[in-house]
Amino acid sequence: EPEVTQTPSHQVTQMGQEVILRCVPISNHLYFYWYRQILGQKVEFLVSFYNNEISEKSEIFDDQFSVERPDGSNFTLKIRSTKLEDSAMYFCASIYLAGEREQYFGPGTRLTVT
Amino acid sequence: QKEVEQNSGPLSVPEGAIASLNCTYSDRVSQSFFWYRQYSGKSPELIMSIYSNGDKEDGRFTAQLNKASQYVSLLIRDSQPSDSATYLCAVTLPGAGSYQLTFGKGTKLSVIP
Repeated sequence: EPEVTQTPSHQVTQMGQEVILRCVPISNHLYFYWYRQILGQKVEFLVSFYNNEISEKSEIFDDQFSVERPDGSNFTLKIRSTKLEDSAMYFCASIYLAGEREQYFGPGTRLTVT
Repeated sequence: QKEVEQNSGPLSVPEGAIASLNCTYSDRVSQSFFWYRQYSGKSPELIMSIYSNGDKEDGRFTAQLNKASQYVSLLIRDSQPSDSATYLCAVTLPGAGSYQLTFGKGTKLSVIP
């Protein structure tokens, strides 16, 4: 069964450094998402991406964040200058079509900012 | 304000019993409703989706939706220790074709052998 994959599984970085989190959505899916979950808190929407552009973004997704789909398979989330409060699990998700609204999540990347 | 509310638990049930998990949502325009299971340190795993009022059954799981009361529930029959996890309720709004999910904080379920 096709799965969403994410790399790395764990990323440790120093405050102020740039990080890139990578996702490979299910191959025939069209909408892609990034969510984050701070330890002990709820899953929060960051951004959605469709047809090579951002569809919607939350208040969390400020100028420090960017997304792109550089090669038709990978979907990346970049944090330009990490802060301590960026420490969280970051999940990528995707759906097949607009009419099929079930989102499938990747295993996540644990980001630790020191 | 889009809100999804769940009792945080923990909800403890004996093995073989029915576990009942509840969720209320504040936005009347919410169209799609989902239950995810999340084991500690893992990603959310989709269990059930429900889009119209009534019940939807899949194996040991039944989702119930009442849009008038803005209420969605999940019943787990014949609960097993492996069902012990946090159950997340999530809803979507039909905004700009994005269908992003708004999650509740989750209910922690513990099934006692």
